[in-house]
Amino acid sequence: AQSVTQLGSHVSVSEGALVLLRCNYSSSVPPYLFWYVQYPNQGLQLLLKYTSAATLVKGINGFEAEFKKSETSFHLTKPSAHMSDAAEYFCAVTAGGGADGLTFGKGTHLIIQP
Amino acid sequence: DAGVIQSPRHEVTEMGQEVTLRCKPISGHNSLFWYRQTMMRGLELLIYFNNNVPIDDSGMPEDRFSAKMPNASFSTLKIQPSEPRDSAVYFCASSSRGTSDNEQFFGPGTRLTVL
Repeated sequence: AQSVTQLGSHVSVSEGALVLLRCNYSSSVPPYLFWYVQYPNQGLQLLLKYTSAATLVKGINGFEAEFKKSETSFHLTKPSAHMSDAAEYFCAVTAGGGADGLTFGKGTHLIIQP
Repeated sequence: DAGVIQSPRHEVTEMGQEVTLRCKPISGHNSLFWYRQTMMRGLELLIYFNNNVPIDDSGMPEDRFSAKMPNASFSTLKIQPSEPRDSAVYFCASSSRGTSDNEQFFGPGTRLTVL
């Protein structure tokens, strides 16, 4: 079984500041990890994914995440926040090569202050 | 590609009525997933299919919920009878199992309100 914990249901940063969204996972098998973004009244869009290759993963819109097995973490970062980054962010885990259903965290609402 | 298509986008119904949500996956994808999103419980996997066969329905909350995939291009999620606690956004997603790309592509969702 897998589980995901996202620390902080709301994160507020200033425009241009570093974005850090935290995700810790639990998995009995090597995990596949994902970050999705959801804009209001829309579906989920994949930002990036870890599938046992490079531990530092680069995604769209300037986001990246680092897989740390020793810390069971997969935190999402972006060096400089933009107003358009305001959205809900979900960390998710799956096993089975990623072909199984996703287990999502509760989500983190990112607020960008002008 | 049109992406994952879901219909209707919004559904308002009264308690006790039957509700059917529809999903058309991306052409060529062989895995299909149904998720539910609520404020209280977040995003939950309800059921998923591989090659039209249900693999894991442990997330289906009750016998009132049923899902079918009669062919590779169509799936339904049915709630009968519906209850107010079923109010949620229901997402369908599809992926191509067996490839190195494990991405699930999500539809826009169906917002269900049960009065």
